Amino acid sequence: GAGVSQSPSNKVTEKGKDVELRCDPISGHTALYWYRQSLGQGLEFLIYFQGNSAPDKSGLPSDRFSAERTGGSVSTLTIQRTQQEDSAVYLCASSPPPLNTEAFFGQGTRLTVV
Amino acid sequence: GNSVTQMEGPVTLSEEAFLTINCTYTATGYPSLFWYVQYPGEGLQLLLKATKADDKGSNKGFEATYRKETTSFHLEKGSVQVSDSAVYFCALSPPGTYKYIFGTGTRLKVLA
Repeated sequence: GAGVSQSPSNKVTEKGKDVELRCDPISGHTALYWYRQSLGQGLEFLIYFQGNSAPDKSGLPSDRFSAERTGGSVSTLTIQRTQQEDSAVYLCASSPPPLNTEAFFGQGTRLTVV
Repeated sequence: GNSVTQMEGPVTLSEEAFLTINCTYTATGYPSLFWYVQYPGEGLQLLLKATKADDKGSNKGFEATYRKETTSFHLEKGSVQVSDSAVYFCALSPPGTYKYIFGTGTRLKVLA
């Protein structure tokens, strides 16, 4: 597709359940990022991938959060045993080489934990 | 460490008023600087960018100048429109990395 695609666009889950969020970056973009945007808050960095490896996982809030990227393309963010404080919009972005160029964002997945 | 500080919102202006949203940063070396905009119900999109000192980024009537001496990248527009109502995020990307660091965002509301 032409842009970064995220699915689902909305997800309501019960507390304690696991969820998987998917991101399809723009073809050819080597870098991929996950951010979290909570109500009234800014963007919280979670993790970024260069190819299939994750040089920086420093933003993952706890060990309930994990992410992987396969084939240098699709990425999945998994949240295990969801808690209410996990409710937020999860944004994925990708960027092409070279370094420090524009990041292109998807529309986000709105996660609600009830 | 690297960080971005932008002015608290919300900012409420009348149509055709002059806009300034302040952004200052802390970084080692010369980061690339960005302004992103998030319109209601939409994803973030790049508004403008600057990659070196004294560069001016501009788009849709918005401008920002990369000021190394004051570590600032303030966003300005001479005459705002109702359609400019959105949340504006200042961001930096440290040199030699792919990482982006965002400010907390400033909500702008323009009244007709």
